[in-house]
Order: sequence, then C-alpha cells, then structure tokens
Amino acid sequence: SAVISQKPSRDICQRGTSLTIQCQVDSQVTMMFWYRQQPGQSLTLIATANQGSEATYESGFVIDKFPISRPNLTFSTLTVSNMSPEDSSIYLCSALGEGVIEQYFGPGTRLTVT
Amino acid sequence: GQNIDQPTEMTATEGAIVQINCTYQTSGFNGLFWYQQHAGEAPTFLSYNVLDGLEEKGRFSSFLSRSKGYSYLLLKELQMKDSASYLCAVRPPPGNTGKLIFGQGTTLQVKP
Repeated sequence: SAVISQKPSRDICQRGTSLTIQCQVDSQVTMMFWYRQQPGQSLTLIATANQGSEATYESGFVIDKFPISRPNLTFSTLTVSNMSPEDSSIYLCSALGEGVIEQYFGPGTRLTVT
Repeated sequence: GQNIDQPTEMTATEGAIVQINCTYQTSGFNGLFWYQQHAGEAPTFLSYNVLDGLEEKGRFSSFLSRSKGYSYLLLKELQMKDSASYLCAVRPPPGNTGKLIFGQGTTLQVKP
C-alpha cells in the first residue's frame, strides 16, 4: 500500500490569488492523479500527473487554470490559479502503483475562496 | 458518454444487511471499484470486480454483471462505524491509464 500526504490540509484564499498544493507518496508509484470533490459531490478527475512531462487533463480542465508538476515518482503539485469562489472544493491527490489495482488517496486539501 | 448511478441516501439498522446498487453506462469497461469515504476523510478502497460474479471480503461483498451494467455492494452485520459514503467507480479503457470515473456516492446512515 501507499501512504499519501498533502499540504496544506486546508486554506482560505482571496479571489484572484493562486494556491499550490503538494502531494507526497511514501513509495515510488507509476501514476499520480488529481481529483476535485465539490461540496456534497463525488470525485471528478482533473488530470493525470506525468513524471517529467506535461500532465494529461480531462475535459473541462486546462493547464493555465490547474498547472501540475511531477518532478519525480513520489511528488506532485497542483496549482489552482486565479481563484474564484467556484474553486472552493476539496482537492485530492491519488496514486497507483505498478501492477496494483487499487488507487490510494491522500487526505485532501480543503480550499475556500472568498 | 459516461453515466454512473447510485442511490443518494440509504438508512439501515445496526446488525442488519444492506445492499447498495450501482448501474453504469460507459463507453468501455476495465473494472468496477467500490470506495468508502467517511466525512472529512480520504476515500478508502473496498473492492474491485472485473469479471462477473461475487467477490467477498469479510463483511463486505461486491457483485458485478457486465451484461447488465450493474453492480452492488453488500454490507453484512452493519456497525455504526459503517456510516459513510460509498462510491462506485468505473475504470474506462484503456485500463492502463489508471483513471476512475466516480458515481455520485451513496450516503449510508446506520441507526442503533
């Protein structure tokens, strides 16, 4: 199994600013993902974080708004840029190991934009 | 398109059995997953089905019928700690992307 930590656990930000969320996995994994969970909703995949190359974004999400980095096999960052109240959500990092079926999730970052 | 349906809420009694259904209509299929999520916590993996039939793991079992686009999660001997949201998720093709598409989740309340 993999243990995933995220920083910060929560933040309150003003509209127009940006926040970078860090995700650290305790073991090397092949795939890392970023999800969003809006209040009372389920999880929506934002993008797959690819090591050493640009992330693969899902429909409705763009790099300018959600730039992602993954410099190595255990670390990734998600930036929420030019925030608006609609970006208030929980952002979760997840990871999948090679040959492993289950996806592990971090505890999430609760973002409130005022 | 992708569509995954689950009941929004369910209530059951401690010690009883509850079945949470999930139907899916997806363009392709590479496995169905069930996750448990307690309020304010990360989702945790419960089960995985890729072939038709029943998978049992302790008090939890999950069933899949690919021809019907249908799965259920069965929880036996319910405990108060089973109060949580249960998320059904499908892995679309190609399976090696690791992506998951989640349903809206079913909030289960277990009452004494």
